[in-house]
Order: sequence, then C-alpha cells, then structure tokens
Amino acid sequence: DAKTTQPNSMESNEEEPVHLPCNHSTISGTDYIHWYRQLPSQGPEYVIHGLTSNVNNRMASLAIAEDRKSSTLILHRATLRDAAVYYCLMRGNTGKLIFGQGTTLQVKP
Amino acid sequence: KAGVTQTPRYLIKTRGQQVTLSCSPISGHRSVSWYQQTPGQGLQFLFEYFSETQRNKGNFPGRFSGRQFSNSRSEMNVSTLELGDSALYLCASSLEGHGSATQYFGPGTRLLVL
Repeated sequence: DAKTTQPNSMESNEEEPVHLPCNHSTISGTDYIHWYRQLPSQGPEYVIHGLTSNVNNRMASLAIAEDRKSSTLILHRATLRDAAVYYCLMRGNTGKLIFGQGTTLQVKP
Repeated sequence: KAGVTQTPRYLIKTRGQQVTLSCSPISGHRSVSWYQQTPGQGLQFLFEYFSETQRNKGNFPGRFSGRQFSNSRSEMNVSTLELGDSALYLCASSLEGHGSATQYFGPGTRLLVL
C-alpha cells in the first residue's frame, strides 16, 4: 500500500491561501489521491480527490505533480472553520484507505 | 439523504468483555469500511466489506471481526476486550469500493475499556 508523508503542522492567517503538501513517492498507476479532513470530535470529511489532472471543487483545489509523486491541497481563502487535521491518502483498487499522521492546520484570525 | 449512522455513540466496557458496534451506511452504498482511531496510532484500517463479503483486512488480531448484511448494514465485534482497545471506531461507506469512490464517515463510536 502506498504511504504518504505530510508535515505535522502548518499555520495560516485567515483569508489567506493555504498550500498543504503531500509526498507519495510509492504511488501506483491506479491509485487515486484523496484528501480528507477531520474536525475535532468528528469523523473525517471528504475534501477532494484526483488521479492525474488538477481538480477543483467548492472546497478546495488539488494540484498533482506530473510524476504523481506529490500533490498539494490548496485552500484558496482559509477561514477559522478550516482548522482541522488534513489527511492525504492513496486509494487503489483494493479499496483500502491508509491514513498517515496528517497535517494539523491552525488558522489565525 | 441521511448520512452514515453509528450506534451506540459511546460505550464503556470492562476488560475481557466483548462488544458489538453497528453501522448503517448511506442508502445505496454497498461498501462499508471500519477504522480505529487512537491518539497514539492515528487512524488505522480494520476491514472493508462489499456486498456482504470481506474484501480487505488490516493488521488487527482475530479478536476483531465484522460482517455485512444484505441491506449493507455492518457490524463489528471485538471479543476479549483489552485496555488498548479503547478508541474511536469509525465506519465509512461508499457506493463502490474502488479507487475513485468517496468514503463518507460516520461520527464514530467511542469505546472505553476499563
């Protein structure tokens, strides 16, 4: 199973963009890159996913490197409600989701 | 659509007992996965069921088991509870079990073993 590496923590100011990096050098050709976030006392919440191309949705954007060994989750304007643990993970055809330690994002007002 | 529901939300048991946790997936979802979350180990995959068959299993001892019913509802059972089994147990459902399918998580069952 592909493993991911993320920084333990990051800080951002409110209303500013946030770029959350993730390394997944062992990714296989069929693995999708998923991002989830977990707010305190809640289950993880889906944010975005992609395979090869960059993706946008109402929550965030996902930029995937050309070699697919890294990706970046972009929150365009961080709000206090975006403070959470962000998990980058691979999901292949086995269906498993292997979570790393994630990045704890602090948003300062 | 109703989200993933888990019952009970909180549970206190003593060592040696067994426990059964229940998960109702989103209507129409056929894949159900279970995860254990602890402060020390983070989120760890337990197993995944798809159409009543276990498709994947994580690295947990045989005391952890599960099943899925024909209506896609799932249960997990932990026998001979140990203190280290105290954790938040999360269930997630998805339409299918393959790579692009989004998983939707329930709120979890918090288990405390005394």
